Amino acid sequence: EDQVTQSPEALRLQEGESSSLNCSYTVSGLRGLFWYRQDPGKGPEFLFTLYSAGEEKEKERLKATLTKKESFLHITAPKPEDSATYLCAVYNAGNNRKLIWGLGTSLAVNP
Amino acid sequence: DVKVTQSSRYLVKRTGEKVFLECVQDMDHENMFWYRQDPGLGLRLIYFSYDVKMKEKGDIPEGYSVSREKKERFSLILESASTNQTSMYLCASTLDSYGYTFGSGTRLTVV
Repeated sequence: EDQVTQSPEALRLQEGESSSLNCSYTVSGLRGLFWYRQDPGKGPEFLFTLYSAGEEKEKERLKATLTKKESFLHITAPKPEDSATYLCAVYNAGNNRKLIWGLGTSLAVNP
Repeated sequence: DVKVTQSSRYLVKRTGEKVFLECVQDMDHENMFWYRQDPGLGLRLIYFSYDVKMKEKGDIPEGYSVSREKKERFSLILESASTNQTSMYLCASTLDSYGYTFGSGTRLTVV
């Protein structure tokens, strides 16, 4: 069964303390892996798409990487405004336009 | 600035009422989606549409229906609202299933 698992469920960091969020997946024929950021009471905001193992993408303090089994979202020197829930989703070849979502990692960055 | 607009941020309805949630996108996207999001359960797909007048059931379609008469508008209908349909409802659109754009969400409370 296709599945996406995110860890940890929650993470609390001090401002400037770098860390990584994990998204592991088991799908057949991965077509893409997506990272989203969601602030409380709002819709998810698109961050990155990764298509193949070895691919990396960066945006400000965030860097996403992809292997054949998992993706990491690295957060370098986080700031309080990076506090949010980070969601991972995958799209596979046979899934008829539907994404498979993880439950997210809730990140809190203390000043 | 491209966007997905959901008609209401907050709604309170009574049990048994028929409820309409509206979603409009201005990006000329073929694919549109309705999700609900609940703590601990993540994003769950209710219905989606890949063309005007076309619809497909998602993972939890029971108690819901949809309408897509125009490309830019995708409506979710709760035929007879129940308390277990209290949730955050999120609409999304995409051109080719890569990188969904989400609306801000509608927080529905059924009393």
